[in-house]
Order: sequence, then C-alpha cells, then structure tokens
Amino acid sequence: KNEVEQSPQNLTAQEGEFITINCSYSVGISALHWLQQHPGGGIVSLFMLSSGKKKHGRLIATINIQEKHSSLHITASHPRDSAVYICACWTNTGNQFYFGTGTSLTVIP
Amino acid sequence: NAGVMQNPRHLVRRRGQEARLRCSPMKGHSHVYWYRQLPEEGLKFMVYLQKENIIDESGMPKERFSAEFPKEGPSILRIQQVVRGDSAAYFCASSPPTSGYQETQYFGPGTRLLVL
Repeated sequence: KNEVEQSPQNLTAQEGEFITINCSYSVGISALHWLQQHPGGGIVSLFMLSSGKKKHGRLIATINIQEKHSSLHITASHPRDSAVYICACWTNTGNQFYFGTGTSLTVIP
Repeated sequence: NAGVMQNPRHLVRRRGQEARLRCSPMKGHSHVYWYRQLPEEGLKFMVYLQKENIIDESGMPKERFSAEFPKEGPSILRIQQVVRGDSAAYFCASSPPTSGYQETQYFGPGTRLLVL
C-alpha cells in the first residue's frame, strides 16, 4: 500500500464544473504539497499546507490533519486546468518524501 | 528573477556512459531537491542538498548516483555507467533558505534522459 493515495486516478469534467481531487496519507507529515504537472511535463507547486485551508484564484486546498486527508478543489474549471495533479507529503520522521501517483484531469470545453 | 534552470533539457547517452545533469536554483535559494520520474510512474524523491551539504539522500540509489551543490555554481546530479533503467525525467526544485521541507518548492523544467 502506498503511503500517499490519490483519488480519482482519472477525471473528466465539463468546462465550468466544480472539481475535487482527494489525497489520503498514512504517515505523520510536516507539510503537504499539491503539484500540477502540465502535459509538456513541467511541474508547478500550487500549495504547501500544514493546516487549514488555502486559496489561490479558482483553486482551494484543504487539509485535515486528524483524518490525514487533503482535498484540492477547482471552481469553474477550464480546459487549461487539464493536467496531472500530484499530492506530495513531507514526513515528520526520517525526512521522507512521498508522492501520490497523480490524478489526471481533463476538462472538456 | 529567473526561475529554476536545468540543463540540458534532453540528454541521450549510451549504456556505460556518464550523465551530468545541472540545476541552477532561483536567485536567493540555497536549498535544492532532485526528483526522478520514471516513464509511466510518479515522482520519487532522490536527494536534498544545501550549499556544500547533503541533507537527505535517502532516495538516491546506492551505486552510480551522486549529487553535489558546491559553494559556487549549479547543483550537479551525476549518473555513472548509465543503464537503460535510468531513462527518466529528472526534476530539480529549489526553496529559500529557511526550513526546507516546509517551504514552497519551485520546479525546473526537467532533464529528459534517454539511455540507448
């Protein structure tokens, strides 16, 4: 079993839909990152969370430390949001970095 | 302020050759991370460096791989005697000089290594 699990693996949405991507982890963490990998391969760090909620434009990320769960929400989705979204956990013991396998999002016009 | 630079963007090597991948962090950043993404797989952490120090190399293969971040110049990921299984995208990221693990990391465009 992976230390970081994401769901769904693949997601197709119509433009304008509200999207949620989930991340569950089984290790103690010091921080959780959401990354976006574009079709060309480039990676952008969207959020770094250690508690609560953060918002950038149409993107919202939340984390529940007790439940070991984080969600990434995209409001009013757009085709340019099509990418792979990756959850990454930095553990608080042993300095380990674990990545989810990613959620491939396709937003159809 | 230029972003994280990696070069080369694409590298082709024959089995047994050496591969050197370079990463120049963002200006003012003193923490560098290397990640590997194998074909059809997710990202894997390799090594975390600060200037002249290796902080965490728990993700580095035990043989053939080494990394450095000298006082001057870029960080170098070196792969000796490459094998076909080393073919992957290698990403570098950097963060400011505070608590590295808890800072936002800025990613470079990656180096795609192909071993023939």
